[in-house]
Amino acid sequence: SAVISQKPSRDICQRGTSLTIQCQVDSQVTMMFWYRQQPGQSLTLIATANQGSEATYESGFVIDKFPISRPNLTFSTLTVSNMSPEDSSIYLCSVEDLGEPAGANYGYTFGSGTRLTVV
Amino acid sequence: RKEVEQDPGPFNVPEGATVAFNCTYSNSASQSFFWYRQDCRKEPKLLMSVYSSGNEDGRFTAQLNRASQYISLLIRDSKLSDSATYLCAWRGYNKLIFGAGTRLAVHP
Repeated sequence: SAVISQKPSRDICQRGTSLTIQCQVDSQVTMMFWYRQQPGQSLTLIATANQGSEATYESGFVIDKFPISRPNLTFSTLTVSNMSPEDSSIYLCSVEDLGEPAGANYGYTFGSGTRLTVV
Repeated sequence: RKEVEQDPGPFNVPEGATVAFNCTYSNSASQSFFWYRQDCRKEPKLLMSVYSSGNEDGRFTAQLNRASQYISLLIRDSKLSDSATYLCAWRGYNKLIFGAGTRLAVHP
């Protein structure tokens, strides 16, 4: 299955600043997904990042707050802009994993997450 | 109505017990279904894909009922190491949507 390297693993940031989270995949993937998991909650999809086009944002999330880059098929960044304590959360990237051999264990693989605390 | 609904639990069961979780979904366009396991402070990891015919992997059995729009996960002979949060998810419109998760605590 795909291996995702996500960093930073955690950070403590001052309100009003921005943090950029990076995800590197060991194989080429068409779509990468960014999720947020607030304390005690499930995962909420922020946006889908396609290489060569604008990211597609879910309801409640906007590009000005969460700009995304997708410069190639193995890499993406998510920036959390102008942070407030309400942005304290775990942020995870994910890719669709076709499994190996193809179809076996098909699913979505996640990076290890970025635990963000805004103070 | 939420797209995916799950009983949050917690389910507290003794070792060796059989426990079942259900997850209902509202969108009939859902294409694929999954169960994920998430340990505390870790990322979700794929436990099982859920096929129309049902599938089994050791002590774990997953079922899909399209007519009633729910999926289920059965865990037999629970182990202490099964303690985690179990998330159901469905794939549709090229994205994966998660339920709120069900917490399972297995005690000696």
